[in-house]
Amino acid sequence: GENVEQHPSTLSVQEGDSAVIKCTYSDSASNYFPWYKQELGKGPQLIIDIRSNVGEKKDQRIAVTLNKTAKHFSLHITETQPEDSAVYFCAASILGGGGADGLTFGKGTHLIIQP
Amino acid sequence: NAGVTQTPKFQVLKTGQSMTLQCAQDMNHEYMSWYRQDPGMGLRLIHYSVGAGITDQGEVPNGYNVSRSTTEDFPLRLLSAAPSQTSVYFCASSYFLSYGYTFGSGTRLTVV
Repeated sequence: GENVEQHPSTLSVQEGDSAVIKCTYSDSASNYFPWYKQELGKGPQLIIDIRSNVGEKKDQRIAVTLNKTAKHFSLHITETQPEDSAVYFCAASILGGGGADGLTFGKGTHLIIQP
Repeated sequence: NAGVTQTPKFQVLKTGQSMTLQCAQDMNHEYMSWYRQDPGMGLRLIHYSVGAGITDQGEVPNGYNVSRSTTEDFPLRLLSAAPSQTSVYFCASSYFLSYGYTFGSGTRLTVV
């Protein structure tokens, strides 16, 4: 099955700086890569996703890049703000592939924004 | 819309007790799933359902049971609680497999 590795487990950045979280996946058939943000005491929330037919996707201060050859994808947050402090999860799956076991998640990155 | 509603939010059980974690969604999603979240382990899939009457096992199904009699509800049953089942449990739903999950706010379960 799919295996998703996520690094780093903890990331501390100064407010206003950029943050980058990286994930690698093992199954070359995976074609959908979402990112979830989990604030303290809440469930994960989808913030951005990318399909394998594009290399980059942006939404305001967040962006995701995908390198299919190397089987890794990254989340980039620019101009970080205190409300960006949270745990971020990457995930991978095969959309329309017939497999029924859904998303495989990374173990999460605790992002800390220092004032 | 309420989205995905989980009850209870907190629960303490004694070893050997049974209980049901409730999950309901009002978005007419076909796909529903249960995850457990443990420190340093991320989110691990327990059971999932691709529609009413259809369920299957995920990565860590032992000790848990599910059923899906309606599109809206997907309860998770702990048959005989063990301390290893102390965790935070999340229910999720989506229109179809893997895509655009909506998570509930979670149930924090402690087994003593």
